[in-house]
Amino acid sequence: EDQVTQSPEALRLQEGESSSLNCSYTVSGLRGLFWYRQDPGKGPEFLFTLYSAGEEKEKERLKATLTKKESFLHITAPKPEDSATYLCAVQAQGGKLIFGQGTELSVKP
Amino acid sequence: EPEVTQTPSHQVTQMGQEVILRCVPISNHLYFYWYRQILGQKVEFLVSFYNNEISEKSEIFDDQFSVERPDGSNFTLKIRSTKLEDSAMYFCASRTTGPGEQYFGPGTRLTVT
Repeated sequence: EDQVTQSPEALRLQEGESSSLNCSYTVSGLRGLFWYRQDPGKGPEFLFTLYSAGEEKEKERLKATLTKKESFLHITAPKPEDSATYLCAVQAQGGKLIFGQGTELSVKP
Repeated sequence: EPEVTQTPSHQVTQMGQEVILRCVPISNHLYFYWYRQILGQKVEFLVSFYNNEISEKSEIFDDQFSVERPDGSNFTLKIRSTKLEDSAMYFCASRTTGPGEQYFGPGTRLTVT
């Protein structure tokens, strides 16, 4: 069964304190791994797509990496505006996304 | 920048009533999806739609649910007889052809009383 597990569930950082979020997955044939940002009461906002082990993508303070079993979202020198829930999802056969439960990130000034 | 839109933003209904949630996907996208998120839980897949028919549905998507693309722009989710447990955020998403990311709308918060 396709499954996505994210850790930690919640992460509190001081502004400027770098860290990483983890996404472990099991899927029969990876068709894509996606990172989204979700603000309270809003829809998921697309960040990155990764397709193969070793691939990396960067956007501002965020960098996503992929291995055969997990993905990391690295946050370098975060700012308070980076506070949100970060969702990881894999694309299953047929195109549907299977989401993890998310990591709630809080960055304090 | 093109975006997915959804209406209404919040819908309150009584148990047993019918509701229709509306979405306008990104104009050149061909695959359409509905997901829901119960408060504090994961985003979960409901149904996918391509070429004017359902391509996949989850166990949640029972006979009380239906989807329709009544014209070239709208995509709707109907719940025939709402239950308390249908209270959730409902998200519409769309994507273009081939593998690729799905773009989500802002959601409709459905509250069943």
